[in-house]
Amino acid sequence: GENVEQHPSTLSVQEGDSAVIKCTYSDSASNYFPWYKQELGKRPQLIIDIRSNVGEKKDQRIAVTLNKTAKHFSLHITETQPEDSAVYFCAASLQGGSEKLVFGKGTKLTVNP
Amino acid sequence: SAVISQKPSRDICQRGTSLTIQCQVDSQVTMMFWYRQQPGQSLTLIATANQGSEATYESGFVIDKFPISRPNLTFSTLTVSNMSPEDSSIYLCSDSSGGGGHPETQYFGPGTRLLVL
Repeated sequence: GENVEQHPSTLSVQEGDSAVIKCTYSDSASNYFPWYKQELGKRPQLIIDIRSNVGEKKDQRIAVTLNKTAKHFSLHITETQPEDSAVYFCAASLQGGSEKLVFGKGTKLTVNP
Repeated sequence: SAVISQKPSRDICQRGTSLTIQCQVDSQVTMMFWYRQQPGQSLTLIATANQGSEATYESGFVIDKFPISRPNLTFSTLTVSNMSPEDSSIYLCSDSSGGGGHPETQYFGPGTRLLVL
């Protein structure tokens, strides 16, 4: 079955710096890769997603890149702010086109003012 | 995206008892899922709640322990049966509303925080 590895498990940056979180997946049939942000005590919130027919997607300070050949995708946050502090989860779809998602173990991002 | 609510938001239960968690969506959705998130951990899919038929369980989860109902396209319940302290966790439902025409997009409910003593 699909396996999603996420690195690093913790990341600490200074306000204004960039943060990068990387994920790899095992199922070459996976074609959908969302990223969720979870603040303490809150639900996971979808922040950006990418499908296998594109290599990069941007939304203001957030971008996701996908390398299908290498089976990895990354979240890039620029000009980080303290409110970006949260746990971020990547996920990959199962069996290409399936409704199910497999999640990475999460990255705790801390943005220091 | 559809608005998803869960009840209860939290509960403290005695071991050996059962708790039923409700998930309500404000519009009809294709798919509903139930996840478990143990303290400080990631999300693990328990099962897919199928409307009008038995739920589809993931490896390690069984119907006797986690019976699920989905009587219509806006509502589902998850029961945690014969609870033990190891069942202490956050239980989340999600829906796949086909946002933008893509069925994989999932949105989560607020979660039910369960503590078993």
